[in-house]
Amino acid sequence: AQSVTQLDSQVPVFEEAPVELRCNYSSSVSVYLFWYVQYPNQGLQLLLKYLSGSTLVKGINGFEAEFNKSQTSFHLRKPSVHISDTAEYFCAVSEEDTGGFKTIFGAGTRLFVKA
Amino acid sequence: EAEVAQSPRYKITEKSQAVAFWCDPISGHATLYWYRQILGQGPELLVQFQDESVVDDSQLPKDRFSAERLKGVDSTLKIQPAELGDSAMYLCASSDRDRRGDTQYFGPGTRLTVL
Repeated sequence: AQSVTQLDSQVPVFEEAPVELRCNYSSSVSVYLFWYVQYPNQGLQLLLKYLSGSTLVKGINGFEAEFNKSQTSFHLRKPSVHISDTAEYFCAVSEEDTGGFKTIFGAGTRLFVKA
Repeated sequence: EAEVAQSPRYKITEKSQAVAFWCDPISGHATLYWYRQILGQGPELLVQFQDESVVDDSQLPKDRFSAERLKGVDSTLKIQPAELGDSAMYLCASSDRDRRGDTQYFGPGTRLTVL
């Protein structure tokens, strides 16, 4: 069975500093990987996704992530964060199942950007 | 840009009352999901529809929760009777089954408070 572990529940960082949010997964089959962002009292918004091809994926708002199959990781990075990046970030893993796709979400990492 | 619609955005009810949430997915999306998100946690799947059929409701507390998608378009999630522990954000998402990897698009959610 697939699982997703977000290694940090909270990440405080100063504005304009780089940040990395870590995500590890386990699965017995090929997977598709996603990062979503959630602002307070809103739904989740897709940041980026890895389906196949290049292991470095670029998303919206200057975020990127790298798929590392040997380490089963999909860490999210941004070289310089802004106050507006303060939000909850969720890593998700999707694998094909008999009924279509089965997707599970990590517990989330709260990014707090300080001035 | 097409969006997933949900209503109401907020609902306050007393325990033992009935509540219902509505979701209208992106037009043409065959797959619809209902998630429950407890504060500080990731979304947990309650039920997944493919068109009008239930694909996965293994985590739906069927003694009090029900979900339907009669015409394969919009959907309703009902709780009867509500309990204090049902207080959470209820998220609806949809995806296009023709796309690989199950990219999900989320609505704004319904925040339920049970008193």
